[in-house]
Formats: sequence, structure tokens, C-alpha cells
Amino acid sequence: KQEVTQIPAALSVPEGENLVLNCSFTDSAIYNLQWFRQDPGKGLTSLLLIQSSQREQTSGRLNASLDKSSGRSTLYIAASQPGDSATYLCAVSRNAGGTSYGKLTFGQGTILTVHP
Amino acid sequence: DTGVSQDPRHKITKRGQNVTFRCDPISEHNRLYWYRQTLGQGPEFLTYFQNEAQLEKSRLLSDRFSAERPKGSFSTLEIQRTEQGDSAMYLCASSTSDRGNTEAFFGQGTRLTVV
Repeated sequence: KQEVTQIPAALSVPEGENLVLNCSFTDSAIYNLQWFRQDPGKGLTSLLLIQSSQREQTSGRLNASLDKSSGRSTLYIAASQPGDSATYLCAVSRNAGGTSYGKLTFGQGTILTVHP
Repeated sequence: DTGVSQDPRHKITKRGQNVTFRCDPISEHNRLYWYRQTLGQGPEFLTYFQNEAQLEKSRLLSDRFSAERPKGSFSTLEIQRTEQGDSAMYLCASSTSDRGNTEAFFGQGTRLTVV
């Protein structure tokens, strides 16, 4: 059974800092990994998707890396801003014969607070 | 708005009542998923459709829960005889099954409170 763990559970940083969020998973037979953002009481917004054959993806100030063999991913946020405050979730989908099985297994999230 | 749409956004119900939620996926997406999220936890998978076929149901989905996706378009999730433990955010997501593009997109969720 796939298990996803995110460290740290919570993080508070001053504005402008670069920061790293960590995600680990127990079964390396993944199809892809997604990072999401969730604001309080809201749904999930997809930030980045990394296919299992890829090592990293970048979008603006966000960079996500994937080391499938060691079961790890990191989300790097550059020059953090108060608007980045949210819960960040990582999730993996299982590889089913060369395609995504579909359902996602989530970590518990990292609550990020960026203070001015 | 071409994203995933869920209705209602909030539902307060008395214990023992039945509730039904609706999800409209992104129109070209053939896969639809339901998840449940409780406070401080990540979403947990409930069930998954590809077109109109329900391909998997989690053991979390007791026999009080039923989901349908008639004609492979919108989906409904019904909870019968609600219990306080059913209070949670119910999230719907959709994706394609195309190998190169299986990114999942989520709706805003339905917050259920059972009193």
C-alpha cells in the first residue's frame, strides 16, 4: 500500500526566503506526482505535475524535483510572499501497465505561513 | 467557467437525513474521482469512474454511500442516514486517461456538516 509523507507539517518563514517542502512515498512504481495548493476551506489547485520519467518541473517561482528510485520529491519556492501562505499537498498516482491508474494518494500536507 | 464544478458548496444536515452532492467535471475529461478530506488531513480516495463505469470503490465507502455517473458526464454522491462522522469536505476531481496528460483538476468541494 502506497504511503505518502510530507515534512515539515508546518513551516513559518519571513517574506523573501527561499524554502523547500519535502514529500516521500513508499512505492516507487508511480506514474506521476502532483503538487497542489489548498487555501483554507477551498478546493485544490494543481501547481506542478512531474511524470515518472522526468526529474523536475518549473513554473514561475516554483520548482519541483523527483527522485523516483529513492521515493522523494521536493517543492522549492523562491522568494516567498505572504500570498504563498496555504497548505501544500503532494500526491502520487500508481503506474498501471504504462498508464496512470488514476487515483491519487495524498500526503497530509505542509501548512506554510509567510509573514511580512 | 470550464473548471470542475461542485454543488452545493456547503450543506448542513441533521443526523439520519440523506444528502446528495453533484459534480460536473471538465467536459473533455473521461475520468472522475471523489475524495473526502477531514480537518488537517490530506484527501482520501472514495471512488473513481472512467466514463460511466465505476472502476474502484474504497473500503471507506460504506454501503450508506453511493455514487453514479450516468452517461459519463456529471456525477452524484449520495450519503444515506448521515452520521456525525460523515462531516468532511467532499472533493471531486477529473482528468483524462491520455498517457501524456493525466493531470487531475479539483473542484471547490462540498463542505458537509452533520449536526
